[in-house]
Amino acid sequence: DAGVTQSPTHLIKTRGQQVTLRCSPKSGHDTVSWYQQALGQGPQFIFQYYEEEERQRGNFPDRFSGHQFPNYSSELNVNALLLGDSALYLCASSLRGQGIRQPQHFGDGTRLSIL
Amino acid sequence: GESVGLHLPTLSVQEGDNSIINCAYSNSASDYFIWYKQESGKGPQFIIDIRSNMDKRQGQRVTVLLNKTVKHLSLQIAATQPGDSAVYFCAEKKPKATGNQFYFGTGTSLTVIP
Repeated sequence: DAGVTQSPTHLIKTRGQQVTLRCSPKSGHDTVSWYQQALGQGPQFIFQYYEEEERQRGNFPDRFSGHQFPNYSSELNVNALLLGDSALYLCASSLRGQGIRQPQHFGDGTRLSIL
Repeated sequence: GESVGLHLPTLSVQEGDNSIINCAYSNSASDYFIWYKQESGKGPQFIIDIRSNMDKRQGQRVTVLLNKTVKHLSLQIAATQPGDSAVYFCAEKKPKATGNQFYFGTGTSLTVIP
C-alpha cells in the first residue's frame, strides 16, 4: 500500500522563476492538501483540493496555485519565486467523510531552495 | 521529562524514562486533534488522534490527554527509546473548516539520551 509520494525531493530555483511540485495521494484517498514548512516551524496550510476543485485556502498569495487530476494526484505551482518561498513543501492526503474526522497522511516533501 | 509546549520547544529525556510533550491549542471550539512525529528529512508521521468528545486515548506506548477547560493537549510516551527522538507537533482542526484543514503548533524537539 503506497503512501503519499512527492516529486521531486529537492529543487533549486532562482528568484522570479516558476516551479511545479507533484503529489500522489495514499491509495484510497481523494483529498489533497498542501502545506509550506519553513525551517524550525510547523507546517502552514496553503490549500486543499477535492473533486478537482480548490475547496479551502490559507493565507497565501495568488502566486500559489494548484490543480487536482481525475486520479486524485495534485500539483502545486508557484510563480514569480521569492527568496522567502524557500521551504519544505508537504503534501497530505485524506479521505473526505461527512462528519467524520480523518487524519491526514503526509509525504516526505519537496525541499525548495531559492537562490 | 516534560515540556511546556511553545514556551519550551526542546525536551531531553533518558532512555527508558517517560516523556510528556505539551501543547496549548488556540480555539476552544476545535473538535479534532492529532499528534505528529517528524524526523529529520521526513514528513510528519501520524501518531495518535483524539476527538473533542474524549479526554484520553491510548495507543502503543503513547497516550494523548485532552483538557478542554484549559485548551491543553499532551502526549505521553512510555519507556522512551532513542528512535523516539524527533520533533513532535500537535495539530488542531478548527470549527467551520470544511475538509481536513489543520493548524499546527511550532513543535517540540525531543532528544532521547542513551
